[in-house]
Amino acid sequence: QVQLQESGPGLVKPSETLSLTCTASGGSISSYYWNWIRQPPGKGLEWIGHIYYSGSTNYNPSLKSRVTISVDTSKNQISLRLTSVTAADTAVYYCATGRDGGQLWFDYWGQGTLVTVAS
Amino acid sequence: DIQMTQSPSTLSASVGDRVTITCRASQSISRWLAWYQQKPGKAPKLLIYGASNLEGGVPSTFSGSRSGTEFSLTISSLQPDDFATYYCQQYNSYPWTFGQGTKVEIK
Repeated sequence: QVQLQESGPGLVKPSETLSLTCTASGGSISSYYWNWIRQPPGKGLEWIGHIYYSGSTNYNPSLKSRVTISVDTSKNQISLRLTSVTAADTAVYYCATGRDGGQLWFDYWGQGTLVTVAS
Repeated sequence: DIQMTQSPSTLSASVGDRVTITCRASQSISRWLAWYQQKPGKAPKLLIYGASNLEGGVPSTFSGSRSGTEFSLTISSLQPDDFATYYCQQYNSYPWTFGQGTKVEIK
């Protein structure tokens, strides 16, 4: 069973870049879609985007100009970069994937990491 | 973007009750819908995919159905562990979108 662990700074200053890493263990990251999803405190879920292990990406248009998702298959890691952050980007950030290759819904989730944007 | 509208936003119920949560898509998503359960401070947990397929290990008291662009999650007999927030998610068209959530509270 795949286990996912997000890591990165818990505090980011406004206008700076948020960078997070998701490390997958218990299986290869090949043949899967790797997603980033966020949840502002007390609010609902927002899909940020995903990357296929081959490197192809799809992003939420609401964030597309600021977001980059990348994959390092040698390290079993997926990364998220979000530029020019504001307080509205304060959220718990999750990485998630499906059990089967090509699956578009989410069986496996990380525990999430809270990122606060504040000076 | 496809809008997913859940109702109700909050539902008060008792143990043993049958409860139904509805999710309406703003356009056709075929059967490409999943349901998740989320408890405070935890990641969401997959319950249903493909509108009506029960994820392994999920109690059979949970079921999903579809009628056109309207989807339902039903809990046939509410258990203490079921008090949580539930979200629907469409994966028919980018960007994937979630409903706003339905909180199931103890009556």
